[in-house]
Amino acid sequence: DAGVTQSPTHLIKTRGQHVTLRCSPISGHKSVSWYQQVLGQGPQFIFQYYEKEERGRGNFPDRFSARQFPNYSSELNVNALLLGDSALYLCASSLLFSSPDTQYFGPGTRLTVL
Amino acid sequence: EDKVVQSPLSLVVHEGDTVTLNCSYEVTNFRSLLWYKQEKKAPTFLFMLTSSGIEKKSGRLSSILDKKELSSILNITATQTGDSAIYLCAVEELGSSGSARQLTFGSGTQLTVLP
Repeated sequence: DAGVTQSPTHLIKTRGQHVTLRCSPISGHKSVSWYQQVLGQGPQFIFQYYEKEERGRGNFPDRFSARQFPNYSSELNVNALLLGDSALYLCASSLLFSSPDTQYFGPGTRLTVL
Repeated sequence: EDKVVQSPLSLVVHEGDTVTLNCSYEVTNFRSLLWYKQEKKAPTFLFMLTSSGIEKKSGRLSSILDKKELSSILNITATQTGDSAIYLCAVEELGSSGSARQLTFGSGTQLTVLP
């Protein structure tokens, strides 16, 4: 079975631009979470989606938004990019919503904002 | 503010050594504690510890959860160069809306194992 996939692998943008990152969960997984990992730090929770509804949101500005599609894939959108948005963006999928399950991470998208 | 603190920040050992990595947490609605290994990009799952499962072991790796002290340790015995990675501790808690799966990560411990 394929694991969590993310696209693109790398992305370079300039300040003020908009970016869309994509994630496909493991087949059968209905929950997708997004994390931002700045160099030297652990991942920081941005959003969780389950069955196409937002179920959790971290402490990020409204420039960050996401959605989940009927096939459970997800997009993370970031508007008005800032230099500080440069990071590795990780997507993680899990089978269930509230059971003691585990999350499986994708390889991430490395975003560089110049 | 909820937080997860790992120590040490970095560690350099030689093959065959035993290492202990520490994680302490302070969260409101604790559900579980997880350990991940991050070599390049995607963190890979090692262990999940809950109130009903406070000790886990897999090969040379083992982990214990101390709910009284709000901490956990990850032990690696007979280290190998392939163990070199960042080890992340994360605490799962229930969000205010009743959501689960929200992980709060520590900054990680960078382990380097020299031949």
